[in-house]
Amino acid sequence: QSVLTQPPSVSGAPGQRVIISCTGSSSNVGAGYEVHWYQQLPGTAPKLLIYGNNNRPSGVPDRFSGSKSGTSASLAITGLQAEDESDYYCQSYDSSLSAWVFGGGTKLAVL
Amino acid sequence: QFTLKESGLTLVNPTQTLTLTCTFSGFSLSIAGVGVGWIRQPQGKAPEWLALIYWDDDKRYSPSLRSRLTIIKDTSKNEVVLTMTNMDPVDTATYYCARLNYGDAFDIWGQGTMVTVSS
Repeated sequence: QSVLTQPPSVSGAPGQRVIISCTGSSSNVGAGYEVHWYQQLPGTAPKLLIYGNNNRPSGVPDRFSGSKSGTSASLAITGLQAEDESDYYCQSYDSSLSAWVFGGGTKLAVL
Repeated sequence: QFTLKESGLTLVNPTQTLTLTCTFSGFSLSIAGVGVGWIRQPQGKAPEWLALIYWDDDKRYSPSLRSRLTIIKDTSKNEVVLTMTNMDPVDTATYYCARLNYGDAFDIWGQGTMVTVSS
């Protein structure tokens, strides 16, 4: 069981908006540690999508955005495209564990 | 361009020690704030952080695996080496090295190396 909780799957039609949640606790997200998001296409390494709660690395489309409130964070994807079909993971730091922690992952299906 | 690449044995017998090398380019592990970590991912499961070493040789380990892990760096060779003792079939996974940046995000990842533990 992951320290950060994500829904196993979400889906949406092309052009729609989807949101993926990431719920932590008072020792990680709620303690002020930043949340980062990764996209992992089949057979490839995770790719940093959002860092520091709501910042996009160079080259990441502005269709992807992040937010954080309290002990939870969210990744929003607007204008869904077929190429967005992938696994998404959130990640933060946990002070009780003294460890970098990942969410269990969410599989996005573009219908 | 920043790159990292993992290398090492891909098939390990149970109880043996795994040694993986991360060779990186485009950045230096002698620059303040830089870190390189190891993360593994069993097939179909979430990534799991294992260990990390900072530019100043500060080392961090996953609490659940601390007794089995050792991480070292060779700044002159741009290498970070991870050893994991007493390997078990449950350790079968793809092992990645990645650069720590933007505080505590892993911004650049290697392609990963698939490690199988089997007799």
